[in-house]
Amino acid sequence: AQKITQTQPGMFVQEKEAVTLDCTYDTSDPSYGLFWYKQPSSGEMIFLIYQGSYDQQNATEGRYSLNFQKARKSANLVISASQLGDSAMYFCAMGQIQGAQKLVFGQGTRLTINP
Amino acid sequence: DVKVTQSSRYLVKRTGEKVFLECVQDMDHENMFWYRQDPGLGLRLIYFSYDVKMKEKGDIPEGYSVSREKKERFSLILESASTNQTSMYLCASSGAGTSILSGANVLTFGAGSRLTVL
Repeated sequence: AQKITQTQPGMFVQEKEAVTLDCTYDTSDPSYGLFWYKQPSSGEMIFLIYQGSYDQQNATEGRYSLNFQKARKSANLVISASQLGDSAMYFCAMGQIQGAQKLVFGQGTRLTINP
Repeated sequence: DVKVTQSSRYLVKRTGEKVFLECVQDMDHENMFWYRQDPGLGLRLIYFSYDVKMKEKGDIPEGYSVSREKKERFSLILESASTNQTSMYLCASSGAGTSILSGANVLTFGAGSRLTVL
């Protein structure tokens, strides 16, 4: 079975600082995908970034990067130059290759950016 | 630009009532999912469907059923609502036929339905 663990229930960061949100995972599948989603107060989940288990390089999308350490089974999200609009819940998720691509989610981290 | 629509943002129901949560997507996606979100537990998969009239149990199917009569619509049914089913319910969809390794089939979520059972 797959499992995602996010150990930071909440984080507070000053605006313009970089922030790292932790995510560790557990799976016996050799092939998998790792995702990060953002959930603002409006409730809708927004896809941020994806990393495949066979990708050699860390994924990047604008201010978001995924620090993928396969041996440690970690997939931390790094947000550079944080903005007030980054305040939200952040979820790490994992998907298996077989099946209907259902995702397993972590508990989430509530990020608050202070001005 | 709405892609996944959940019919009700907020619902208040009584214990024992039958509850329908509706979800419609306009992206012609094969896969549809119902998740439940609770503080400290993240999102947990209730049911999913990979085709019309097909359904599979997720991690917490007890007390729920689903219906997918048309490709674009996936309904979650609480046959007899209980207070422990008070939660946020999220519907999502994704396309099929592309390996998850490509990242192409990310889930697209609706805005959520917050259900309170009294």
